Amino acid sequence: GQQLNQSPQSMFIQEGEDVSMNCTSSSIFNTWLWYKQEPGEGPVLLIALYKAGELTSNGRLTAQFGITRKDSFLNISASIPSDVGIYFCAGPETQGGSEKLVFGKGTKLTVNP
Amino acid sequence: DAGVIQSPRHEVTEMGQEVTLRCKPISGHDYLFWYRQTMMRGLELLIYFNNNVPIDDSGMPEDRFSAKMPNASFSTLKIQPSEPRDSAVYFCASSFSGGLGPLHFGNGTRLTVT
Repeated sequence: GQQLNQSPQSMFIQEGEDVSMNCTSSSIFNTWLWYKQEPGEGPVLLIALYKAGELTSNGRLTAQFGITRKDSFLNISASIPSDVGIYFCAGPETQGGSEKLVFGKGTKLTVNP
Repeated sequence: DAGVIQSPRHEVTEMGQEVTLRCKPISGHDYLFWYRQTMMRGLELLIYFNNNVPIDDSGMPEDRFSAKMPNASFSTLKIQPSEPRDSAVYFCASSFSGGLGPLHFGNGTRLTVT
């Protein structure tokens, strides 16, 4: 199946700093999704991207769908303590007529006040 | 909107025991997914249903795992017999747009098998 590689695996930053993380795929994706998981909770959708080159913002978060359709980037500006969590990229995989979401292994973000 | 509801939140059991995890999807959602999350393997899709019918169970690790969806508002994931390597967080998610998301996840059941 398709694999999504996220980097970095973890980040330790100071409050106020900007954050950048990315996700690459071994094959072309038509949709990229970014989720955030906070401790003790399930992942929550942050941003959805549907078109190559698309740049979409959600507050301090900005995500881009790479031109090659094999990568996506998520940026967080002016980080705050509540940004702590694991950020996952996800994309649809079609196998045997079945479509399902595959997830990267996540980027764990720690924000020091 | 109460969100996806899973129970129990935590389950500790001994090896060999039967474990049943429960999920109530968001009303009106016609897709239901069961995921397992571990440090080593991340989020893995186990099985998903559309209109209560299992569509893809290729992620179910072994015959010890089974899932049912008797109606649109309830699903179970059963492990019998359980083993220590089954220890993980199990998430249920639902959507009305199929496998492409957005998925709405529950808060998971943390299973520990000793």
